[in-house]
Amino acid sequence: DIVMTQSPDSLAVSLGERASINCKSGQSVLYSSNNKSYLAWYQQKPRQPPKLLIYWTSTRESGVPDRFSGSGSGTEFTLTISSLQAEDVAVYFCQQYYRTPFTFGPGTKVDIK
Amino acid sequence: QVQLQESGPGLVKPSETLSLTCTLSGGSVSSSSYYWSWIRQPPGKGLEYIGYIYYTGSTNYNPSLESRVTISIDTSKNQFSLKLSSVTAADTAVYYCARIPGANSVTDYWGQGTLVTVSS
Repeated sequence: DIVMTQSPDSLAVSLGERASINCKSGQSVLYSSNNKSYLAWYQQKPRQPPKLLIYWTSTRESGVPDRFSGSGSGTEFTLTISSLQAEDVAVYFCQQYYRTPFTFGPGTKVDIK
Repeated sequence: QVQLQESGPGLVKPSETLSLTCTLSGGSVSSSSYYWSWIRQPPGKGLEYIGYIYYTGSTNYNPSLESRVTISIDTSKNQFSLKLSSVTAADTAVYYCARIPGANSVTDYWGQGTLVTVSS
């Protein structure tokens, strides 16, 4: 299995400030034939299912605000919220879909400072 | 609009079989464009992929659960199902059904999830 790790476990950021979450995969999730990293980010609010935010490392899902951005390649990735809003309080998970079993990071809890 | 809804018992006894069904509306499980998946989340913990099924009946299971899992599909009812045998307390989780738009792709639509507790 491809092990996914995230850091930090949690962070608190002031409204309007930047929040960054890191994700590492135990092996590369970059597919050389299309030069795409098979890495996604999800947001999960309490008592809700996860919501897809970003796929192919940096492509925002339709309707996702542009304050959310993704970057990275290979084994190291970052989700950035450029200006934290109250509605962004949630747990964020990264996921690799390069190889089954698809695996998720343990999650990072984002809160307001 | 695609909607997925899980249904099934919320309480299962240890050593018995957990059975859940997911009903799709706003789409067809017979579509060749999608795979249909089960994912679970123990209370307060992370997400674990269980497996997926294609409309042909082809399946892919997480090796950690493969000996106990069966995912099936009923195109006439627009449903797919999960069976997990010989359950223990470690199988207590919220179970989600979900859609994957391709063999190696993200999970783009999720059901609301259903909590299954394993307890005598």
